[in-house]
Formats: sequence, structure tokens, C-alpha cells
Amino acid sequence: AQKVTQAQTEISVVEKEDVTLDCVYETRDTTYYLFWYKQPPSGELVFLIRRNSFDEQNEISGRYSWNFQKSTSSFNFTITASQVVDSAVYFCALTIRSSARQLTFGSGTQLTVLP
Amino acid sequence: KAGVTQTPRYLIKTRGQQVTLSCSPISGHRSVSWYQQTPGQGLQFLFEYFSETQRNKGNFPGRFSGRQFSNSRSEMNVSTLELGDSALYLCASSLRTAITEAFFGQGTRLTVV
Repeated sequence: AQKVTQAQTEISVVEKEDVTLDCVYETRDTTYYLFWYKQPPSGELVFLIRRNSFDEQNEISGRYSWNFQKSTSSFNFTITASQVVDSAVYFCALTIRSSARQLTFGSGTQLTVLP
Repeated sequence: KAGVTQTPRYLIKTRGQQVTLSCSPISGHRSVSWYQQTPGQGLQFLFEYFSETQRNKGNFPGRFSGRQFSNSRSEMNVSTLELGDSALYLCASSLRTAITEAFFGQGTRLTVV
């Protein structure tokens, strides 16, 4: 069975601070896919990034960056120069090839960015 | 390009009743998955439909069922509602030709009283 752990339940930062959201996953499959989603108060889950288990290249997209490390089973997400609009719940999720549409989600991290 | 549309947005039902929720996927997406989100259990996978067939099912009782139509639209049904079924029900659509991201609708907020 798959498991995703987001140990940080809530994080508060002041605008313009950098913030890192942690994600640790467990799976016995060698081929798996990791995702980050953002859920604003409207409820819709907004896709942010997808990573394959065979692609450990880290990525930067604007103010967002992701650090994928198979050795520690972690897939962390960093927001640089946070803004009030970044306030939301962020979910890390995992799926494996054999059940590709069945996402296992972490419990989410509530990020509040204060002005 | 229109996103995933879920109707209705809000529902209030009484214990013992049944309810049907609807999901229209993004045009061209043939896979539809359903998730239940509650404060206690978080986001949990219910089932996935592709080509009008259920492909995967999560660990939910048989009171939860679904179906998919030839136009890829999907419905989920919950019979004999319990208070614990109060939740946000999210639908996601995706292409099934590869492992791609799923796009979610805004959900249906179901309250059972």
C-alpha cells in the first residue's frame, strides 16, 4: 500500500518569506508518480507539478521549486517570496502505474501568508 | 477550454435518503475519478471510470456507486445516507493514454442531517 505523509499541519509566514512544504512517501513500486496540488478556499484542487520516479531532476517554475530525493523518499515544495494569494491547503499525492488514476493524498498543509 | 464541472455545488439531504452527484469532464478526457474529502479522513479515492467501466475502486461500502455515460460524463450515487457521508465530493478527469495529472472540479458539498 502507498502512504504519503505531510507532517506540517499548518504553517504561517509573513509575506515575502520563503516557505518549504515537506512530503514523505512510501511505496514498494519502483515506478510511481508524485504530484503537488493546491486547494484554495473555493475547493477546487489545482494541479501544480508531476514527477516520475525515474526523473529526479529538480525543477523551478517562477516562485515555485521542487526537490525530489528518492534516497530519502521526499518530494518537497518551496515557495520563494511568498504572497498572500499563496494561502491555501497544499497536498502531496502519489500514484503507481498499476492503479494510475488512484491518487493517495497526504493530509495536507494549510499555508497562511500574512501581509 | 472548459474545466471539470460538478453539479450541484451544494446539497442538503436527510439520513436514509439517496443522492446523485454529476460530473462533466474536460472535453477529450475519458477517465473520471471520484474522491471524498472530510476533515477526519482527508482525501480518499472512491472509484474511477473509463469507457463506461469501473476500473478501480477504493475502500468504501457498496452504498457508494457510480457510472459513466458514453459522453464520458459520470454520476455517483450514495444510497441510505449516513451522517458520516457529509463531505466534499470531488471529481477529477484525465487522459488515460498516459500517466498524466488529473484536473479537479470544484466539488459538491454534501451535508447529511
